[in-house]
Amino acid sequence: GNSVTQMEGPVTLSEEAFLTINCTYTATGYPSLFWYVQYPGEGLQLLLKATKADDKGSNKGFEATYRKETTSFHLEKGSVQVSDSAVYFCALKRAGGGNKLTFGTGTQLKVEL
Amino acid sequence: GAVVSQHPSRVICKSGTSVKIECRSLDFQATTMFWYRQFPKQSLMLMATSNEGSKATYEQGVEKDKFLINHASLTLSTLTVTSAHPEDSSFYICSATQQGEAFFGQGTRLTVV
Repeated sequence: GNSVTQMEGPVTLSEEAFLTINCTYTATGYPSLFWYVQYPGEGLQLLLKATKADDKGSNKGFEATYRKETTSFHLEKGSVQVSDSAVYFCALKRAGGGNKLTFGTGTQLKVEL
Repeated sequence: GAVVSQHPSRVICKSGTSVKIECRSLDFQATTMFWYRQFPKQSLMLMATSNEGSKATYEQGVEKDKFLINHASLTLSTLTVTSAHPEDSSFYICSATQQGEAFFGQGTRLTVV
């Protein structure tokens, strides 16, 4: 079946540090891949997505590249801010699977001054 | 983007009682909504797909008599946890899809004592 594995948190960084949150997946065919962010007290919000191999999703300084060969979709940001503190979820939607999403466990990011 | 509102955000109930959680799409109509459950340090697990005007579709292992879902209108789905027990304590999240993008409620923290 489909599954998503992402690194455990919490990840604690200083402001302006480089961020990588690893995400790998298992799926048949060519799924679409997503990163969602959940700020404290709020619902999940779509951060970025990629729908085919080698696509790069980007938003708010965050990037992730769909790597079919390594089945990965790692999230990166060159310089994090305190306001980026949140929980980040990697997810996939399999091709032909309707709107069902399979999520990773979530990674909590804490950015300190 | 579209807004999905979930209520209540937190609820504490006694064992044996029932709890209803509401999920509303505020500015769009949703024929399908999804209910997820999240255990600490685990993925969001899809529980069921709520279909307006028809029966919900439950994922394998989810007790449909325990988790009653009603989707009586195009903007409202409800999840009722019946005869709640401490093991039902969890974080429940709903989502609705508009134009292929999933929008999530804020989640409901249920604690059964």
